[in-house]
Amino acid sequence: LAKTTQPISMDSYEGQEVNITCSHNNIATNDYITWYQQFPSQGPRFIIQGYKTKVTNEVASLFIPADRKSSTLSLPRVSLSDTAVYYCLVGAPRGGSQGNLIFGKGTKLSVKP
Amino acid sequence: DVKVTQSSRYLVKRTGEKVFLECVQDMDHENMFWYRQDPGLGLRLIYFSYDVKMKEKGDIPEGYSVSREKKERFSLILESASTNQTSMYLCASSLGLAVSYNEQFFGPGTRLTVL
Repeated sequence: LAKTTQPISMDSYEGQEVNITCSHNNIATNDYITWYQQFPSQGPRFIIQGYKTKVTNEVASLFIPADRKSSTLSLPRVSLSDTAVYYCLVGAPRGGSQGNLIFGKGTKLSVKP
Repeated sequence: DVKVTQSSRYLVKRTGEKVFLECVQDMDHENMFWYRQDPGLGLRLIYFSYDVKMKEKGDIPEGYSVSREKKERFSLILESASTNQTSMYLCASSLGLAVSYNEQFFGPGTRLTVL
C-alpha cells in the first residue's frame, strides 16, 4: 500500500507562495494523488487531484514528477484563511478488495499576518 | 451541492454501550466511508462500502462494524464501546467505481466520547 509522508507543520506569511511536498514511494500505477484541506471542526474538503505532470485550478497547483514518488501542492499568495491542515491522499477504492485509501498525517499550515 | 450529514455532532457514551453513528448522503453516491481522526494520526479508514450491503475493511476495523441497507445511508456500529474509541468520526461519500478516482465529500464529523 502506498503510504505518504508530509511535514507535520509549516509557517508562512500572508502573500507568500507555499509549497507542501508529499512523499509516496510505493505509489501504484493506477493511483491518483489528491489533496484535501481541513479547517477545525469541519470535514476535509477536496482541493486538487492529479496523475502526472502539473495540474492547476483556481486555488492551487499540483506538481508531480515523472517518477510520481512525490508531489507538491503549491498555494499562491496565501492569506490568513488558508490556515488549515492539508492532507495528501494516494490511491482509490477498488471494489472486491481492501480499499487502499491512505491519508497522510497532514501538514498544519499556519499563515501569519 | 453534495450534502453528507451525520446524526450527531457530539455524543457521550459509557463503556460497554452499543453505539450507532449514522451517515446520510443525498447525491446517489455509490461509495461511502467511515474514518476516525485522532491528533497526530490523521485520518484512518475504518470501513468503506461500494454498494448496498457491500462492505470492505479499512485499516482499523477492529471493534467496529457497519451496515448499509440503503444506498444513501451508512451506519457505523460500536458493539461495545471502549474508552480507546473516543475520537472524531468522519463519514464521506463519492461517486462509483466507474471512474479511476473520484472526490470524497465529507460530513461535519461526530465527536464521540466514551467514559
